[in-house]
Amino acid sequence: DTEVTQTPKHLVMGMTNKKSLKCEQHMGHRAMYWYKQKAKKPPELMFVYSYEKLSINESVPSRFSPECPNSSLLNLHLHALQPEDSALYLCASSQALAGVETQYFGPGTRLLVL
Amino acid sequence: KNEVEQSPQNLTAQEGEFITINCSYSVGISALHWLQQHPGGGIVSLFMLSSGKKKHGRLIATINIQEKHSSLHITASHPRDSAVYICAVRGIQGAQKLVFGQGTRLTINP
Repeated sequence: DTEVTQTPKHLVMGMTNKKSLKCEQHMGHRAMYWYKQKAKKPPELMFVYSYEKLSINESVPSRFSPECPNSSLLNLHLHALQPEDSALYLCASSQALAGVETQYFGPGTRLLVL
Repeated sequence: KNEVEQSPQNLTAQEGEFITINCSYSVGISALHWLQQHPGGGIVSLFMLSSGKKKHGRLIATINIQEKHSSLHITASHPRDSAVYICAVRGIQGAQKLVFGQGTRLTINP
């Protein structure tokens, strides 16, 4: 199994809603990532988890809350989002945090905030 | 100036043409990645390079560490190659994140 899965594929939410994005991998990777991608722009790193501990937080607003319940799962909890948060949210994983290894990306969750 | 610059930003070609996309970077790196993203889709890792050249099917990637430059070539291009191609680099000494170029939007017409 060499894939990263993400659910849901699409999500529409209001600014007062609470929702969660889910990411899963069964490759034994110990580093997992959340990226945000706006249209026609490259991905922007949001968070990195290494061995289930938050390693990097790229000054992301607190309305985004990551969680890594175990080595295969990564969640992104969303609360009180703004319309400008509408984007493609990509999850990725890699064998280790540093060194020369490939990141495997999931298909993304396309989020629309109304 | 971005740490990773790609050229061209947009490229349109006819089916069968040889395609070259370039990536220049200004920092020391431990690895360079070429990624492919189809419209509305997730990202696929095509190559990871730290030196030399790699080939996979019709795709070839090269890197010149001294010149801080990499190229992605596509031979016998096909409309299904239409996508955004992204160059991303990982810094040296255990750098923890990728730095992305702006991407090259490739369109192959039949």
